[in-house]
Amino acid sequence: GAVVSQHPSRVICKSGTSVKIECRSLDFQATTMFWYRQFPKQSLMLMATSNEGSKATYEQGVEKDKFLINHASLTLSTLTVTSAHPEDSSFYICSAGGGQGDQPQHFGDGTRLSIL
Amino acid sequence: KNQVEQSPQSLIILEGKNCTLQCNYTVSPFSNLRWYKQDTGRGPVSLTIMTFSENTKSNGRYTATLDADTKQSSLHITASQLSDSASYICVVSLSYASYDKVIFGPGTSLSVIP
Repeated sequence: GAVVSQHPSRVICKSGTSVKIECRSLDFQATTMFWYRQFPKQSLMLMATSNEGSKATYEQGVEKDKFLINHASLTLSTLTVTSAHPEDSSFYICSAGGGQGDQPQHFGDGTRLSIL
Repeated sequence: KNQVEQSPQSLIILEGKNCTLQCNYTVSPFSNLRWYKQDTGRGPVSLTIMTFSENTKSNGRYTATLDADTKQSSLHITASQLSDSASYICVVSLSYASYDKVIFGPGTSLSVIP
């Protein structure tokens, strides 16, 4: 089945550091990928839609200069949390697939980001 | 407003027992409804997907139902196992031009105890 790989799985870094998270579709091409954020005991919240070869579409309230998204190829999207602060600590999850019809979105295993 | 609600918020059951999780939605234009299982610290994994015309779909011990008229869905788990302990998320998709936009429910946290 379709697999989405997310890396790294866990990051611990100092405040002010920029952190890059990669999301790869391993056995299929994804023109659209999605980035989510999840706080403890809450459901996923869509941050942005990553579009291959064009600018990402950000949800209301999400700072695009804070969360930089690059979707340079059909199998890779990256999310960079710039100048991260403790309030950016969260579980970040990407997904791909889920085109129209009955195909589900395939999720990566998430990245646990902890900013000290 | 496009919204997905789930109940109960959390549930504790004994191993071997059955349980049913509920999902109500107000989403338009509706494309499909999916149930996902999310283990702690992992990404969600799809259990079932149902389109407008489907009423019931099974995946092993998981059976999902959909009533498009009342905009309700349920996920029934039979003969629960300890490994069923997870968060179960109802996800409803809106149909747009090139992709489906999804609305996540808040999830039901299921704990199966020996």
